[in-house]
Amino acid sequence: NAGVTQTPKFQVLKTGQSMTLQCAQDMNHEYMSWYRQDPGMGLRLIHYSVGAGITDQGEVPNGYNVSRSTTEDFPLRLLSAAPSQTSVYFCASSRRVPYEQYFGPGTRLTVT
Amino acid sequence: ELKVEQNPLFLSMQEGKNYTIYCNYSTTSDRLYWYRQDPGKSLESLFVLLSNGAVKQEGRLMASLDTKARLSTLHITAAVHDLSATYFCAVDPTGTASKLTFGTGTRLQVTL
Repeated sequence: NAGVTQTPKFQVLKTGQSMTLQCAQDMNHEYMSWYRQDPGMGLRLIHYSVGAGITDQGEVPNGYNVSRSTTEDFPLRLLSAAPSQTSVYFCASSRRVPYEQYFGPGTRLTVT
Repeated sequence: ELKVEQNPLFLSMQEGKNYTIYCNYSTTSDRLYWYRQDPGKSLESLFVLLSNGAVKQEGRLMASLDTKARLSTLHITAAVHDLSATYFCAVDPTGTASKLTFGTGTRLQVTL
């Protein structure tokens, strides 16, 4: 199993550009989540999904869109990048039992 | 709004010493997670505490949960340099392991 994979590992965007961060998992987990981590802070939830076709907002959803058409994939779209979105983005997947959340390797995004 | 507070935020300790990291949270939750993060890396799951009074141990780390006091502790016994990392606690009030609220982390530095 590859676990949770994310692409790209690094990305530099100009203000106003759009892009999609990819996330995939091969563990057949029903739940998937996106978090961002800013320097010196813990992770904050952006969006999450409890199954294919079902998504909801987390703590910091503004400027981001998600969709979940399959169990495996959960892409995060930045609509119009802003410097405040410079961060490290982690995707995670989980299932209700045994209540563990597995994290991907992260995408380091810089918006200039 | 759910708040998760860790203290201390930074801990410098000598090898061989014992210390405890505290995690307080503001709302009812039966599940609490501890993660380790090395610089530039993703989060590694250490413990999942699923009920009041739960205690788990792995090597020199032991975690416990008191849901009545809304408090979890991560105890380090006879610290070694390899334990240097940032430790996060996270709370999951929904019980789905998909909407974690994280503390700001405790950066642990173990010196020789």
